[in-house]
Amino acid sequence: DAGVIQSPRHEVTEMGQEVTLRCKPISGHDYLFWYRQTMMRGLELLIYFNNNVPIDDSGMPEDRFSAKMPNASFSTLKIQPSEPRDSAVYFCASSQTWASGSISYNEQFFGPGTRLTVL
Amino acid sequence: AQSVTQPDIHITVSEGASLELRCNYSYGATPYLFWYVQSPGQGLQLLLKYFSGDTLVQGIKGFEAEFKRSQSSFNLRKPSVHWSDAAEYFCAVTGNTGKLIFGQGTTLQVKP
Repeated sequence: DAGVIQSPRHEVTEMGQEVTLRCKPISGHDYLFWYRQTMMRGLELLIYFNNNVPIDDSGMPEDRFSAKMPNASFSTLKIQPSEPRDSAVYFCASSQTWASGSISYNEQFFGPGTRLTVL
Repeated sequence: AQSVTQPDIHITVSEGASLELRCNYSYGATPYLFWYVQSPGQGLQLLLKYFSGDTLVQGIKGFEAEFKRSQSSFNLRKPSVHWSDAAEYFCAVTGNTGKLIFGQGTTLQVKP
């Protein structure tokens, strides 16, 4: 298994430009998560999907951020327009729900991240 | 409120010494607990997890952690640290929603 795949690995853009980050989850996983990591704020959950449906987007900073999951094998995180304060490492993670009796649980697998720099 | 606290932001240990990284959680339901490690420039890798059963869990790279419900803790330990263990370590908790709540992380430095 190739694991979670993210592209690009590095992105440098200018303020005001549109940025699209891409993620391919592990095949068979039913959850997909987008995180942002900065020195100041640590690791923040932006949004997560279950079976391609957004469940919780309360972590999305503002309307400039949007995320989609058109199918089980692909998701995008878009920033339009980008600002210097959006510079961070963006991680995608996926997980599969395991159930045992009344207990269900997940184990998240992380991609390598996209390092975004907005000038 | 659900939260994870890692009291130590930065820890330095000598190579070969033992290590303990602290993690305390606040979670209303049965917690599922994880430790992840992040090497510089890399993504997060799962070290170990606790779902149920034996409260002492073994992970990769010689790490172990003990779940203590009475203390709401899930401390990570390693008997002898190697220079390659230098990294940032994250404790996390989840229930059955799939959503992870992370601590702020502990950066481990290993002295030769």
